[in-house]
Amino acid sequence: SQTIHQWPATLVQPVGSPLSLECTVEGTSNPNLYWYRQAAGRGLQLLFYSVGIGQISSEVPQNLSASRPQDRQFILSSKKLLLSDSGFYLCAWSLGQSATNEKLFFGSGTQLSVL
Amino acid sequence: AQSVTQLDSHVSVSEGTPVLLRCNYSSSYSPSLFWYVQHPNKGLQLLLKYTSAATLVKGINGFEAEFKKSETSFHLTKPSAHMSDAAEYFCVVREGYQKVTFGTGTKLQVIP
Repeated sequence: SQTIHQWPATLVQPVGSPLSLECTVEGTSNPNLYWYRQAAGRGLQLLFYSVGIGQISSEVPQNLSASRPQDRQFILSSKKLLLSDSGFYLCAWSLGQSATNEKLFFGSGTQLSVL
Repeated sequence: AQSVTQLDSHVSVSEGTPVLLRCNYSSSYSPSLFWYVQHPNKGLQLLLKYTSAATLVKGINGFEAEFKKSETSFHLTKPSAHMSDAAEYFCVVREGYQKVTFGTGTKLQVIP
């Protein structure tokens, strides 16, 4: 069976510090991978998605970047965190077999507080 | 521990007929509850949310949901389905600001 691991669960970082959130998927090959963020009082927002190693698409301009060094690994990074980066970050994956049949599986999330 | 159960993985309705997507939850505290929709090739979009105000919550695109504490339910409804409603819907429960649990999703098919 497929599983998705996301860590850490919570993180408190000072403004200007770097960030690295990691997500790995097990039990499947060549998944589509996604990073979402939910800021306070707002819905989920798609930040990045990836259809393969080294292929990253960004949905919104921001202070964050993403990388996919391995097939089942997706990393969210920042060189210098801003206060506005605080929020709840979710990694997700899908099989991507069909545009109309894509089901998202979510990680457990990371609550990031930038102080 | 909190959990969310979406009782139907697939729901099929005819265009113009009512929609009912069921969600039951369990939570140790007074949770916030959400419904999200995901259309093909798009990210999740917030439909509506309940945060301990009115128990009947109205959302976008004619959807609404009623929070029933006694039944621990938060079912999503719409009086008349439209073709553009075909998508996957996620029920979400949130305790405080840290723990968020997503349901497994319900795929809504609308038949012309």
